Amino acid sequence: TQLLEQSPQFLSIQEGENLTVYCNSSSVFSSLQWYRQEPGEGPVLLVTVVTGGEVKKLKRLTFQFGDARKDSSLHITAAQPGDTGLYLCAGEGAGGTSYGKLTFGQGTILTVHP
Amino acid sequence: GAGVSQSPSNKVTEKGKDVELRCDPISGHTALYWYRQSLGQGLEFLIYFQGNSAPDKSGLPSDRFSAERTGGSVSTLTIQRTQQEDSAVYLCASSLDFGRPQQFFGPGTRLTVL
Repeated sequence: TQLLEQSPQFLSIQEGENLTVYCNSSSVFSSLQWYRQEPGEGPVLLVTVVTGGEVKKLKRLTFQFGDARKDSSLHITAAQPGDTGLYLCAGEGAGGTSYGKLTFGQGTILTVHP
Repeated sequence: GAGVSQSPSNKVTEKGKDVELRCDPISGHTALYWYRQSLGQGLEFLIYFQGNSAPDKSGLPSDRFSAERTGGSVSTLTIQRTQQEDSAVYLCASSLDFGRPQQFFGPGTRLTVL
């Protein structure tokens, strides 16, 4: 069974601050996805990283996939109240019975105060 | 339809009753997934369908849970003899094909077992 440890679980910051969310595993993933979820809605995909060491930027959000494809991070620069939400990482299984399946982290509830 | 739809959006039931949750995937998507999410937490994989077949049912929590998919489209998740620990949000997702990394999620069904 693949596990994905996401931290921190809760993050409460002021507008303009920077933050980083981490996802770590002992398992190798073929890709790592980051989702954002609003209350009452399903998760919405933000980005998929596939190559070890890959870095992707989405406006103020920077996503990185570890060299060994076992970990990932999400960094938000100058957070805004509109960034408030639940952030989820999900690893796609690399093979065997895990192939094609997503393993989700526990989620990070981010609150950005004006 | 334009996105994944789920019904009902909310379901309150008494302990011991059976419930059926419905998912309509995006038209043309052959893969369909069911997840369970506890309040503010990550997603727990339950089962996936490729077409009408469910190759892996190992994620179902107990034999009270079952799912079917007909016509390669609509899926129903049935929980028999519901228990209070079944209370959660049940999310459905679809993808173009199994193993395609991007899954599109519905808004979920919030199940409350009294």
